[in-house]
Amino acid sequence: AQSVTQLGSHVSVSEGALVLLRCNYSSSVPPYLFWYVQYPNQGLQLLLKYTSAATLVKGINGFEAEFKKSETSFHLTKPSAHMSDAAEYFCAVSDLRNNDMRFGAGTRLTVKP
Amino acid sequence: GAVVSQHPSWVICKSGTSVKIECRSLDFQATTMFWYRQFPKQSLMLMATSNEGSKATYEQGVEKDKFLINHASLTLSTLTVTSAHPEDSSFYICSARVGSGAYEQYFGPGTRLTVT
Repeated sequence: AQSVTQLGSHVSVSEGALVLLRCNYSSSVPPYLFWYVQYPNQGLQLLLKYTSAATLVKGINGFEAEFKKSETSFHLTKPSAHMSDAAEYFCAVSDLRNNDMRFGAGTRLTVKP
Repeated sequence: GAVVSQHPSWVICKSGTSVKIECRSLDFQATTMFWYRQFPKQSLMLMATSNEGSKATYEQGVEKDKFLINHASLTLSTLTVTSAHPEDSSFYICSARVGSGAYEQYFGPGTRLTVT
């Protein structure tokens, strides 16, 4: 069965600092990996996705993530945090065989002025 | 493109009543729709997967008689919470996928259900 583990339920950074949100996956077949952002009382917005093409994936709002098979990781980064980045971030894994998507527990990002 | 809507966005109902939540794909046909439940400060938990014209597949531990799912068309799926109780209060999110060979899901904005 596929699964993802997000290390750190809460990450706090200063505005302008590097954002690093960690995600490790487990999958018996080549995975598709996603990062979503959720603002309070809203649905999920796709930030970026990995689908077995380039290992470095660029998404919206300046975020990017690198797929590292040897480390089974798909960490999300942003060079400079903005106040508007404060939200809940979810890593998710999927594959065509299992036909569904599994989410990590989420990481709440706080950005301090 | 790929917009998914949910209605209502929030609903309050009394214990023992039933509530229906609609999920619509506005600009594409969704062969598969998913229903998730999210408790405060927690992740999304998949409740069921529905394919147009067939019965939904429920995840283990989800009561199919309590959470009725109907996927009557390629653009509409409904979740009915029957005989709702306060513990059913949650944020319900649907998503839709285009085609059986696709992998990406498009999420609705969610429905906040409060049972009093």
